[in-house]
Amino acid sequence: EAQVTQNPRYLITVTGKKLTVTCSQNMNHEYMSWYRQDPGLGLRQIYYSMNVEVTDKGDVPEGYKVSRKEKRNFPLILESPSPNQTSLYFCASSLFSLEGRETQYFGPGTRLLVL
Amino acid sequence: AQSVTQLDSHVSVSEGTPVLLRCNYSSSYSPSLFWYVQHPNKGLQLLLKYTSAATLVKGINGFEAEFKKSETSFHLTKPSAHMSDAAEYFCVVSDLGDSNYQLIWGAGTKLIIKP
Repeated sequence: EAQVTQNPRYLITVTGKKLTVTCSQNMNHEYMSWYRQDPGLGLRQIYYSMNVEVTDKGDVPEGYKVSRKEKRNFPLILESPSPNQTSLYFCASSLFSLEGRETQYFGPGTRLLVL
Repeated sequence: AQSVTQLDSHVSVSEGTPVLLRCNYSSSYSPSLFWYVQHPNKGLQLLLKYTSAATLVKGINGFEAEFKKSETSFHLTKPSAHMSDAAEYFCVVSDLGDSNYQLIWGAGTKLIIKP
């Protein structure tokens, strides 16, 4: 089954304790992306990657890191989480086109609470 | 700068009546436009997309949207609302940035269906 998986689905942590949220897709997609969703703000892009070893900042990259060592995986790293990073996080993947016409496929979301 | 405006944060309609969710965008390029839907406590799913073919686009579950370049709009409609349509809807524009395309998300419109 074609899918995007994220782990963990729910996470409670404390300020400053490094964490990683994993994202994996089995559709051989070039493009992967991380979003955060906050009430009234819709989805905001954190980082995206157009292919292996190619990553770029989205609209809200501060406090986050990513890596793309393999095509299928795109982990999101919070080196020192803070309470303002409490949010619902979505990973997405798609084929890549210069015109940006491809449908994105989303993971189920990771709900993060930073105390 | 590119932007997406969803004109209503909440829309409430009675079951069986028409639905209209409004989206306006600004773009310096020939954009692709998408509507995604998020049901409560679920992930995001593509409803429909416009990619410079027919201006009237049909999607899943009886929804459709019309691309109007002169009005820079991409409003989502459905002739008759069903209880299962209650969800949050996001309008998304794919636009060319400095060298890559960027996905710009609206803030979302919550659709409430009254019995």
